Amino acid sequence: KAGVTQTPRYLIKTRGQQVTLSCSPISGHRSVSWYQQTPGQGLQFLFEYFSETQRNKGNFPGRFSGRQFSNSRSEMNVSTLELGDSALYLCASSLATGGFYEQYFGPGTRLTVT
Amino acid sequence: KNEVEQSPQNLTAQEGEFITINCSYSVGISALHWLQQHPGGGIVSLFMLSSGKKKHGRLIATINIQEKHSSLHITASHPRDSAVYICAVYPSGSQGNLIFGKGTKLSVKP
Repeated sequence: KAGVTQTPRYLIKTRGQQVTLSCSPISGHRSVSWYQQTPGQGLQFLFEYFSETQRNKGNFPGRFSGRQFSNSRSEMNVSTLELGDSALYLCASSLATGGFYEQYFGPGTRLTVT
Repeated sequence: KNEVEQSPQNLTAQEGEFITINCSYSVGISALHWLQQHPGGGIVSLFMLSSGKKKHGRLIATINIQEKHSSLHITASHPRDSAVYICAVYPSGSQGNLIFGKGTKLSVKP
């Protein structure tokens, strides 16, 4: 079974631009969670989608948004990029929502904002 | 104070040593995850547990729900075990998602 894939793997953007990252979950997985990892803050939860609905949202500004499609693929969007948005963005998929389902992580998208 | 605390932050060991990484948390949880992250960023889930003990190869994870504490043990450590090990908890009764510790950077010398 193919793992979680994320595209693109690397991205360089300028302050003020917007960016869209994509995540394809493992086949059959219906939940996709997004995380931000920075050296200072470590890993932080952004949001979770299950069956095309946002289930949970972390403590991030409204510039961070996402969606999930009927095939469970998910995208996240960051508008009006700031230097502090430079980070590794990871998505993880699981069979369903909730803490009893193991999450499988993708390789991440490394975003650099200049 | 972080809701998930790991110790030590950094750990250097000689090949073959027995290693223990500790994780304490302050919230009620549904499950606790141990993750491994190699340089380059990829994260692999090692264990998910809500009680007792699990073993996979040279790795053992234990959890004490009453004491809100978990440990990850590596027996007969090897240089390929060098990575960052992250403890993450899924809070119970919340609409949240995983809360992560800061990680323990392990380096195993040959």
